[in-house]
Amino acid sequence: DQQVKQNSPSLSVQEGRISILNCDYTNSMFDYFLWYKKYPAEGPTFLISISSIKDKNEDGRFTVFLNKSAKHLSLHIVPSQPGDSAVYFCAAATSGTYKYIFGTGTRLKVLA
Amino acid sequence: GAGVSQSPRYKVAKRGQDVALRCDPISGHVSLFWYQQALGQGPEFLTYFQNEAQLDKSGLPSDRFFAERPEGSVSTLKIQRTQQEDSAVYLCASSRGGLEKLFFGSGTQLSVL
Repeated sequence: DQQVKQNSPSLSVQEGRISILNCDYTNSMFDYFLWYKKYPAEGPTFLISISSIKDKNEDGRFTVFLNKSAKHLSLHIVPSQPGDSAVYFCAAATSGTYKYIFGTGTRLKVLA
Repeated sequence: GAGVSQSPRYKVAKRGQDVALRCDPISGHVSLFWYQQALGQGPEFLTYFQNEAQLDKSGLPSDRFFAERPEGSVSTLKIQRTQQEDSAVYLCASSRGGLEKLFFGSGTQLSVL
């Protein structure tokens, strides 16, 4: 029973182009979402978050979009840089709780 | 230190051996989490502490897994009688509390032979 799904295990994008990473969830109680980036042999590092009262949150080159009716969120990276090559995890939680549920990750490769 | 520190970075254990994994959270962080990450998977929740209280241990796979945080700071995850299926990266994370973003350590990679 996977409540948070990242259906694309990998993605390759040319440097300078847009990277779009997708995440779907099944639990309608989730109202807080985060994206993490992970390099090999390191722990995940926080990238950007969004709560369900918004449908978009932007931080520099990173924008997260939330479509509550579709139970879908996406992370856009523009422009993509080789240093963005990493595994990206989305995570979801419900307000008033503490438990984050993570997806299985998408490996992004940005080609120079 | 500035971040979450975990030790050891790598641990090789023979099947049946007991192991102890240590986590030093960010100073002042109330919440501490342990996650298990199998190869090619996302982190899976194991247990949660608020200060020294273990409020949720629903993710611990079996009674061979035990976690403690006696003084509300450093935490130890102990696995008794390790099995091959315990091989994974064990991640510790801390936060200021509530639904705050988690700060992760680099993890301990456990290999059970």
